[in-house]
Amino acid sequence: DGGITQSPKYLFRKEGQNVTLSCEQNLNHDAMYWYRQDPGQGLRLIYYSQIVNDFQKGDIAEGYSVSREKKESFPLTVTSAQKNPTAFYLCASSIRTSVGETQYFGPGTRLLVL
Amino acid sequence: GQQLNQSPQSMFIQEGEDVSMNCTSSSIFNTWLWYKQEPGEGPVLLIALYKAGELTSNGRLTAQFGITRKDSFLNISASIPSDVGIYFCAGQVGSQGNLIFGKGTKLSVKP
Repeated sequence: DGGITQSPKYLFRKEGQNVTLSCEQNLNHDAMYWYRQDPGQGLRLIYYSQIVNDFQKGDIAEGYSVSREKKESFPLTVTSAQKNPTAFYLCASSIRTSVGETQYFGPGTRLLVL
Repeated sequence: GQQLNQSPQSMFIQEGEDVSMNCTSSSIFNTWLWYKQEPGEGPVLLIALYKAGELTSNGRLTAQFGITRKDSFLNISASIPSDVGIYFCAGQVGSQGNLIFGKGTKLSVKP
């Protein structure tokens, strides 16, 4: 069954704590993305990676970090520097062809601060 | 920065009615994607459009890539209660740019 998995579904963070959100895909897609979604808002890009061992900052990268050591995996760490981490986090992967890009999303992780 | 204007922001309709929503931008897009998101879930891709003027259907859903390449619309015919959710458009500028997302249209369907 091909797709994108994110874990956990819910995550609780204490003040000053770093937490890591998992994202795995078995679609053989080169590119992977992390978005943040706040209530009533669109999706905002945190980080993206178009190839293994390379990643780029998106629009709201401050307080977050990523790694891309394997094609299938793109974990996101929410650091203590992120002062307002409560949000719904979505991972996506995409395939780009000569006609354009098609992006697919995982089920999301909801992060809550205790 | 580039922006997508998606309208309407929300819609309350009766079951069986047709629905229309659209996205516009001042930028020219190469790709338009339409997604549906249900509460607590990730967006699910409904329709992908890659060519100006392209009209594509997926069951009761029809989407078009505007001829000016600056807009797209999504129609849902004969709505049913399970159509409830938030519908997002996304556009890509050029072949290498990242996707830009609209803020969504929240659809409510009254049985």
